[in-house]
Amino acid sequence: DIQMTQSPSSLSASVRDRVTITCRASQSISNYLNWYQQKPGKAPKVLIYGASSLRSGVPSRFSGSGSGTYFTLTIRSLQPEDFATYYCQQGYIYPYTFGQGTKLEI
Amino acid sequence: QMQLLQSGAEVKKPGASVKVSCQASGNTFTDYYLHWVRQAPGQGLEWMGWINPNSGGTNYAQKFQGRVTMTRDTSISTAYMELNSLRSDDTAIYYCARESSSSSYNWFDPWGQGTLVTVSS
Repeated sequence: DIQMTQSPSSLSASVRDRVTITCRASQSISNYLNWYQQKPGKAPKVLIYGASSLRSGVPSRFSGSGSGTYFTLTIRSLQPEDFATYYCQQGYIYPYTFGQGTKLEI
Repeated sequence: QMQLLQSGAEVKKPGASVKVSCQASGNTFTDYYLHWVRQAPGQGLEWMGWINPNSGGTNYAQKFQGRVTMTRDTSISTAYMELNSLRSDDTAIYYCARESSSSSYNWFDPWGQGTLVTVSS
């Protein structure tokens, strides 16, 4: 199975900050990397697919980059509604696997 | 816009089985694979497998092989996930999610609201 490792596991930031979350795959997954946001008590919501494509309706302050084994999710100018947990997920090969999550806190 | 509505919370004893349903509305049920993902309390996300609602074909994560069965009833646009021989570490929220795709990439969207399954003696 492909292991996905996110860092950091938690992150403290303030409104209007720029933050970057990284995700590493244990083997190359090309660009088959998705990012999700999950708020307490809610299902995850996709933000980015294909490593860098912004899901329709997602604010442009979210961006993704990377390929192969190293990926990043960047949020520029954090807004109060962005404080949540973020997960990466590889869609390259079954079993699909997720990172352990990054909790973004104020 | 497809919506997925899951069945309500369940409490089961160790060794029992649970069957969670996921009813689709708003789009053609048979056009998209449906995946199941679970999340233990305070933990991350774990992919369990998928069902092709058109053919009934399935693909399960090896971890759950022999214990999970995914089925569907196309007449009511509903998919089911049954997990047998429940253990305490199966306590989790179980989500169904549609596979969306574009340019060979696929992702999970939308998701059901989740079903809490509690396994306790």
